[in-house]
Amino acid sequence: GAVVSQHPSWVICKSGTSVKIECRSLDFQATTMFWYRQFPKQSLMLMATSNEGSKATYEQGVEKDKFLINHASLTLSTLTVTSAHPEDSSFYICSATLLGTDTQYFGPGTRLTVL
Amino acid sequence: SQQGEEDPQALSIQEGENATMNCSYKTSINNLQWYRQNSGRGLVHLILIRSNEREKHSGRLRVTLDTSKKSSSLLITASRAADTASYFCAPDQGGSEKLVFGKGMKLTVNP
Repeated sequence: GAVVSQHPSWVICKSGTSVKIECRSLDFQATTMFWYRQFPKQSLMLMATSNEGSKATYEQGVEKDKFLINHASLTLSTLTVTSAHPEDSSFYICSATLLGTDTQYFGPGTRLTVL
Repeated sequence: SQQGEEDPQALSIQEGENATMNCSYKTSINNLQWYRQNSGRGLVHLILIRSNEREKHSGRLRVTLDTSKKSSSLLITASRAADTASYFCAPDQGGSEKLVFGKGMKLTVNP
């Protein structure tokens, strides 16, 4: 089946630093990937839609200069949290749609803790 | 895109019992998807039912869709402790591909 991986699975960083999270579709190509954020005991909140070769589309209220998204290839999208602060601590999850289907496959998530 | 609302928000049952969760949405859809999330993990796709389908089965899962009532249900039969997770429905209007998730339903299956 379609597999999506994320790296790292967890990261701890100091306030003010930047953190990059990778999302890869391992056995399929994904022209579109999605980034979500999930706070404890809450639902997933869509942050942005990442399109290969073009700029990401951000949801309302999500700062594009703080959450930089780069979809460099059909199998890789990256999310960089710039100048991270403790309130950015969250669980970040990506997903990718298998071409020709309507199904989104999700990565295992990345737990970010900003001290 | 629209958000599905799961009901109930929490359900606790004994192993072997069936679990039913419902999902309501507001506008017409192309398909509706159900996902499971174990604590601290990503989402796992369970089943997709299209707007022209009324019922679909996958193993111990049975999904129904009533487009006239704008609702769907997910039935898990003969539940196991490993089914303990949060379950989300995602109505998909098609086109944009993006899914919006509701609060989900937390299922606890007690051994």
